[in-house]
Amino acid sequence: QQQVKQSPQSLIVQKGGISIINCAYENTAFDYFPWYQQFPGKGPALLIAIRPDVSEKKEGRFTISFNKSAKQFSLHIMDSQPGDSATYFCAAATGTASKLTFGTGTRLQVTL
Amino acid sequence: DAGVTQSPTHLIKTRGQQVTLRCSPKSGHDTVSWYQQALGQGPQFIFQYYEEEERQRGNFPDRFSGHQFPNYSSELNVNALLLGDSALYLCASSMGHKQPQHFGDGTRLSIL
Repeated sequence: QQQVKQSPQSLIVQKGGISIINCAYENTAFDYFPWYQQFPGKGPALLIAIRPDVSEKKEGRFTISFNKSAKQFSLHIMDSQPGDSATYFCAAATGTASKLTFGTGTRLQVTL
Repeated sequence: DAGVTQSPTHLIKTRGQQVTLRCSPKSGHDTVSWYQQALGQGPQFIFQYYEEEERQRGNFPDRFSGHQFPNYSSELNVNALLLGDSALYLCASSMGHKQPQHFGDGTRLSIL
């Protein structure tokens, strides 16, 4: 049973635009929601993470929005750059270092 | 400061064989988790080791086993390899139970 659903599967955004990736979860015990960025041939790298006691967290051009009642969270990439082209995974866990349940990934392409 | 290192980077095996993958956690980290990432999919949690014991396990058969050594490094063993075991195997480490997980670049395992 897939516990974290991610959309869209792929996304093309022009340079300078806003990239938005959405995730929904089912398990209400989840209390840690990170986003990872993965380049081809590399492992996932932690971008930003949020806990359900806040509705938004911003780090540079990356923002997580969290809606606890809807069990949804999203990643916004402002002023998207070609270097942001990668696969993005949302994840959820019960506890920061506990097992991560990943979404299926979004392949982002930022065009010039 | 070295990050999470995994060896080998690539490996080719045939069905029925056994394989051992190795992971050295990031300096200062004491918890190691293993994930399997099939092509085009998100990572799937296999198990987690802390204080040389398996603390959590995902939905993987007993053919998958592991070990953590006193220096916190870890091994993943897979017996009786199947074609479906072809994947990228990722190791992630963290410091205790309250810090986020950092991933290595993985071992690409191909089963012929």
